[in-house]
Amino acid sequence: DIQMTQSPSSLSASVGDRVTITCRAGQSISTYLNWYQQKPGKAPKLLIYAASNLQSGVPSRFSGSGSGTDFTLTISSLQPEDFASYYCQQSYSTLRTFGQGTKVEIK
Amino acid sequence: QVQLQESGPGLVKPSETLSLTCTVSGGSISNYYWSWIRQSPGKGLEWIGHIYYRGSTNYNPSLKSRVTISVDISKNQFSLRLSSVTAADTAVYYCARERYSNYGGGYYYYMDVWGKGTTVTVSS
Repeated sequence: DIQMTQSPSSLSASVGDRVTITCRAGQSISTYLNWYQQKPGKAPKLLIYAASNLQSGVPSRFSGSGSGTDFTLTISSLQPEDFASYYCQQSYSTLRTFGQGTKVEIK
Repeated sequence: QVQLQESGPGLVKPSETLSLTCTVSGGSISNYYWSWIRQSPGKGLEWIGHIYYRGSTNYNPSLKSRVTISVDISKNQFSLRLSSVTAADTAVYYCARERYSNYGGGYYYYMDVWGKGTTVTVSS
């Protein structure tokens, strides 16, 4: 299995803050990395695919970067609707794996 | 607009088989992978496995001995069977479409459409 480790596990931030979430892969996965947002009681929603490609309809304040083993999801200016959990997921291996998640809470 | 809808029993007895179906509406099941993912209460996401519309499958090794995913193109559905369930299999089960984009010779897969999820409780 390719282990995906996110940091931090949770963070508190205010509306308007710049937020960065990190995902580290247990081995190099090139740019085979996706990011999802999940709100309580809802299904995950795709935000970013192939490390840096914004999914259609996702606000441009979301961006992704990285390659190899280290990746970043950045929210440039946190909005009230962005308080949620975020998961990275690798598709380099046939065995897909997710990070453990990062919960973004209101400060 | 493609939509996915999970269906199946919400309560399964220990040692029995969990069976869920995902119905695809608004689009074809062809030319995609179709995945099952679960989330235990208060936990993260666990990929169970996926099936290509032509029938080839890949499973999470931790569940492989108990999992079967199948597809019915004529009904635009795919299904999950998980045998010998225990309380540890209690979770919200999601189905999802996995598509790919081709960049520079690489095929990048991602789950772009998800069902709303269905809660399955394993209890006697």
